[in-house]
Parts: sequence; C-alpha cells; structure tokens
Amino acid sequence: NAGVTQTPKFQVLKTGQSMTLQCAQDMNHNSMYWYRQDPGMGLRLIYYSASEGTTDKGEVPNGYNVSRLNKREFSLRLESAAPSQTSVYFCASSEARTGGFREQYFGPGTRLTVT
Amino acid sequence: AQSVTQLDSQVPVFEEAPVELRCNYSSSVSVYLFWYVQYPNQGLQLLLKYLSGSTLVESINGFEAEFNKSQTSFHLRKPSVHISDTAEYFCAVSTGSLDDKIIFGKGTRLHILP
Repeated sequence: NAGVTQTPKFQVLKTGQSMTLQCAQDMNHNSMYWYRQDPGMGLRLIYYSASEGTTDKGEVPNGYNVSRLNKREFSLRLESAAPSQTSVYFCASSEARTGGFREQYFGPGTRLTVT
Repeated sequence: AQSVTQLDSQVPVFEEAPVELRCNYSSSVSVYLFWYVQYPNQGLQLLLKYLSGSTLVESINGFEAEFNKSQTSFHLRKPSVHISDTAEYFCAVSTGSLDDKIIFGKGTRLHILP
C-alpha cells in the first residue's frame, strides 16, 4: 500500500509556464484534496473532489484547475505560473461517509518554485 | 464558519521538559478537533483527534490534548519532550459535513533544545 503518492517531488518553473501536479491514492477513497502550504499560513485548501466526477473550489482556487481523472487520480494544473504560486503542494484523500469524521491521508508534497 | 488560532508560531523547549502548544477555535456548531504533525520534509500525519466522549485524548507517543468547550480550546501537551518530537504541529477543526473540509491553523514549530 503506497497510500497517497505525488509527482514530481520538486519543480522549478519560469513565470508563465504551465505544469500539472499529479496525485494518486490506492486506498479506494472517494474524496481527494489539494492544499498549498506557505510559511506562517498553515495549509489552505485549493480544490477538492468529494467523489469521482465532482470538483469544488476551496479557499484559494484562483490560478489553478483540477481534474478528477478517475477514483484514484486527482491532478492540479497551473496554466500560467506566477511567483505567488511558489509553495509546497499537498494532496490528501479520505473515505466518504454521510457524516462524522473521516481522516485525511496526506502525500509527501511537491515543492514548486516559480522564478 | 470555523476558524483555528494557534497562538505561538514557534516554541523552543529543552529536551525532557514539558511543553504545551496552544490552540483555540471558533465555531457556531459542534466540531471535531485534531492535531496533525509534520516532520521535516514530510507530509502531515494525524497525531490525535477529539470526536466525542472523554475530553482528554492521547496519542501513542505521549502527547495528549484536552477539549475545553467553555474556553473553546484544544491545547496539546507532553510531559517530557524528545529530540524526535521536533516538528511542526497543526491544530485543525472540522464539522464532519459531507464534504468534510478541514480548517487548519497556521502551525507551531516545536524546537527541542539539547
């Protein structure tokens, strides 16, 4: 069981370039999430997908798009990277239940630098 | 809406000394409360959680947190820290709604001094 995997681990982009961050989970979870982590800001939710075929905006969606390719995979795309998107990006997944607590499991992160 | 405040961005403490990391939350509905830990260059891991029942919850590595509804707090404590506890700790809150979004605090970096 690999859990939640993310690729790449590191990436450097020039302003205006595009790229896609990949995330996959092998726990058969329905819900998946993308967060960014910035110093002193904690984790902020970018987008989430409560189930296959659905996506919703989180707290900081501007400049990003997502695709829930199938139940396992949830990708995050930067169409035109900006220095303000320099951050560490975490993907997470959780089971879906109608209520109550569902632990989120996190990937190891992608460290992105935009110059 | 819910919010989480971690009052200290960094906490230095000597090895084998006790530590308390403070967390306060705000919510108009019942919430679940969590502490996550992030070791250097890793993702977040759930350390402990309060869902219901006993207000004192414990982790397997000696941390404990107490839910205090009147003070809207969920402070994390450990009686004796070790070098291996060096990490960033995040307090978080969730309503347990269907979309199950978790709101994280800004984190407290725990520095263990030799």
